[in-house]
Amino acid sequence: DTGVSQDPRHKITKRGQNVTFRCDPISEHNRLYWYRQTLGQGPEFLTYFQNEAQLEKSRLLSDRFSAERPKGSFSTLEIQRTEQGDSAMYLCASSYRTGGYEQYFGPGTRLTVT
Amino acid sequence: SQQGEEDPQALSIQEGENATMNCSYKTSINNLQWYRQNSGRGLVHLILIRSNEREKHSGRLRVTLDTSKKSSSLLITASRAADTASYFCATDERQGGKLIFGQGTELSVKP
Repeated sequence: DTGVSQDPRHKITKRGQNVTFRCDPISEHNRLYWYRQTLGQGPEFLTYFQNEAQLEKSRLLSDRFSAERPKGSFSTLEIQRTEQGDSAMYLCASSYRTGGYEQYFGPGTRLTVT
Repeated sequence: SQQGEEDPQALSIQEGENATMNCSYKTSINNLQWYRQNSGRGLVHLILIRSNEREKHSGRLRVTLDTSKKSSSLLITASRAADTASYFCATDERQGGKLIFGQGTELSVKP
């Protein structure tokens, strides 16, 4: 069990560019979650999947954000036309539906938009 | 948006002392969880308490839950320098759905 992995760990991009992040959950976990965390704050929910189905998306999430989990394994989070306000740590977590509901978090991808 | 408040926002204690952190939330929940985040590292799950439980222990951790007051507390006994971290409570309304996090308590344990 290698845990949840995220790639890249750091991303610096210019305003207006598109970025894509990848998350590989723990292999037997069928739920996958994306959160965003800014300095001094707790993580904020973005979206989550059960297998390949996207079950919920935050109402705060603009149309510039899209997430996929095409085969029910890894997931990608894309941000189009990045803005400086998108600068944050993007966290991925996974859990096992019939387990104890605790979530296992990856190390995060730190996005800096210049 | 954040679910609720954590209190205090920062806490500094000496090694060996106990640390208590409080969390309040706003909606009905299925369970409440506590997580730890070390500087620059990911979140680690500490303990989960279900809505029908009032108290739970795990090693040096003791969690209480009062659903009538919509509040929880985390007690760390005999703290160690390695306990220095940010601690977050998170509520789960739907049993395995999204977590709603508080703003966290930053704990510093001095040797």
